[in-house]
Amino acid sequence: GAGVSQSPSNKVTEKGKDVELRCDPISGHTALYWYRQSLGQGLEFLIYFQGNSAPDKSGLPSDRFSAERTGGSVSTLTIQRTQQEDSAVYLCASSFEGLAVESTQYFGPGTRLTVL
Amino acid sequence: AQSVTQLGSHVSVSEGALVLLRCNYSSSVPPYLFWYVQYPNQGLQLLLKYTSAATLVKGINGFEAEFKKSETSFHLTKPSAHMSDAAEYFCAVSYSSASKIIFGSGTRLSIRP
Repeated sequence: GAGVSQSPSNKVTEKGKDVELRCDPISGHTALYWYRQSLGQGLEFLIYFQGNSAPDKSGLPSDRFSAERTGGSVSTLTIQRTQQEDSAVYLCASSFEGLAVESTQYFGPGTRLTVL
Repeated sequence: AQSVTQLGSHVSVSEGALVLLRCNYSSSVPPYLFWYVQYPNQGLQLLLKYTSAATLVKGINGFEAEFKKSETSFHLTKPSAHMSDAAEYFCAVSYSSASKIIFGSGTRLSIRP
């Protein structure tokens, strides 16, 4: 079956512009996660969705970052007024929350964001 | 704070040699432990996962890891390295079946011909 997909694969934007990153999880997966991978910070958690609600958004670095999930499926990560330090690869993962052995997070290929 | 420490940001071994990538975690309760691999310009792929069912966990591509509670370690090994094993390896931990994953800083594995 299809894996986690993300779009766009690459995004170049100018400082101060807003960007939207999209994640399509594996069909039937109830949990969805956003992570960020950057040279300086490594891999860091941003936000977790269970269904359409976000019980853990502790990793969002500032109020310029927001995310939503609709229909228990697609999620959008929005970064407002982008800064150069936002440049990173944004990774999405999904999992089926049931037995622990099944709650493996499967990662998408990522969106590489470059802020000029 | 919950954390994962990977010893060695870069490990280089000869083809056919033993691969040993070290990982230690900090936790007061047994966590879920993972090793992920990232090949150049690709996404993260799960190599193996420990969920308390067995201390020796076998993964894909001949890799395995052993959970040692007394040492709070979860080192990754492979008896014989292949050129195709060259990649970045991440040790990671989570504290419930449905929660964020905390990643180590990664170890880049290079294979010498």
